[in-house]
Amino acid sequence: QKEVEQNSGPLSVPEGAIASLNCTYSDRGSQSFFWYRQYSGKSPELIMFIYSNGDKEDGRFTAQLNKASQYVSLLIRDSQPSDSATYLCAVWNSGNTPLVFGKGTRLSVIA
Amino acid sequence: DAGITQSPRHKVTETGTPVTLRCHQTENHRYMYWYRQDPGHGLRLIHYSYGVKDTDKGEVSDGYSVSRSKTEDFLLTLESATSSQTSVYFCAIRRAATDSYNEQFFGPGTRLTVL
Repeated sequence: QKEVEQNSGPLSVPEGAIASLNCTYSDRGSQSFFWYRQYSGKSPELIMFIYSNGDKEDGRFTAQLNKASQYVSLLIRDSQPSDSATYLCAVWNSGNTPLVFGKGTRLSVIA
Repeated sequence: DAGITQSPRHKVTETGTPVTLRCHQTENHRYMYWYRQDPGHGLRLIHYSYGVKDTDKGEVSDGYSVSRSKTEDFLLTLESATSSQTSVYFCAIRRAATDSYNEQFFGPGTRLTVL
């Protein structure tokens, strides 16, 4: 069974700090990795994806991937109260196989 | 906005009645998905489609059926609704230039309550 594990949180950080969200996965054949943000009562929104080992930066967000350790993370710099949401990690192998989602980490940014 | 609509957005129904949820997309994507989301369980895949009339089961398919007679519509049917199917249902599409990518985008969701 392919699994994606995330700490459920809540992860509380002060405004302006760096929030670090982590995800591990079991399928060594996974090729693509995604981070979704979900506000309460809303649908998940794709905010980052990464396909290669290393870091990928987009504004205040950095995704980090280490395939050898089967680990992917999302860093949010200069955290804002508007970043308070649940963050879902998702992993994909290939072809017709669907994404496998973690259960999400709830982030709370305290003003 | 990935051009995905879901209908209805809210529905209350009674145990034992059939229910059909509709997902409509405007961008002609090949892949479409149905998920349910419940506290403590996260997003769980019910069924997905990789083309017209091509569907496959997800991890929680019991009690659900799907149909896709045209590219833009993917229907989810609860054949005889039960209280355990009270949930928020999300449709998603896969937007990818080639089959080497799988970036999914979600519709707004349908909140279903089965009494």
